[in-house]
Amino acid sequence: DVKVTQSSRYLVKRTGEKVFLECVQDMDHENMFWYRQDPGLGLRLIYFSYDVKMKEKGDIPEGYSVSREKKERFSLILESASTNQTSMYLCASSLDREWWVGYTFGSGTRLTVV
Amino acid sequence: AQSVTQLDSQVPVFEEAPVELRCNYSSSVSVYLFWYVQYPNQGLQLLLKYLSGSTLVKGINGFEAEFNKSQTSFHLRKPSVHISDTAEYFCAVAGNAGNMLTFGGGTRLMVKP
Repeated sequence: DVKVTQSSRYLVKRTGEKVFLECVQDMDHENMFWYRQDPGLGLRLIYFSYDVKMKEKGDIPEGYSVSREKKERFSLILESASTNQTSMYLCASSLDREWWVGYTFGSGTRLTVV
Repeated sequence: AQSVTQLDSQVPVFEEAPVELRCNYSSSVSVYLFWYVQYPNQGLQLLLKYLSGSTLVKGINGFEAEFNKSQTSFHLRKPSVHISDTAEYFCAVAGNAGNMLTFGGGTRLMVKP
């Protein structure tokens, strides 16, 4: 089974800190995605990547950046954390040539910014 | 562009009762439809999907969904729910390119004893 691993389940950070959320997948998937999940708003796409060193903005990229230096790792960066970035963050990956399989999700990182 | 609307944010139901979670989509191209489930404190798991062919799709854990093109709907059903089905359910749509999913707002299914 494909595994998508998010390095932290829970994080508490202070306003203004630079925050890194890490995501690693072990099945050579080309596509990787970062979503945030908030009650009543479902999943909103922050950034995605189709290949190494490649990134595309999603629906809500403001206040975030990403890095994909290796195929298996996709990092989400909060340059200066703010309280409105308190949320659940979900990473997902998919195989481009077998997109119909759907996405594989990590377990999520619940970030609290105080 | 495509969008997904899940009409109910919460659905309470008693154990062993039937349930239907509603999903409507809009898209100007052929669509591919998915249902995911999220158990408490976990990521999302694929329940079932419609790509083509039979409009009635069966998934894991006794769930099924019916694709209705004329009503642009993909409602999820289970004839008899269990306490363990308590979770949040997300409907998603992919367009022609297939590799991008758009998710609905989610429906929280609460099964009561």
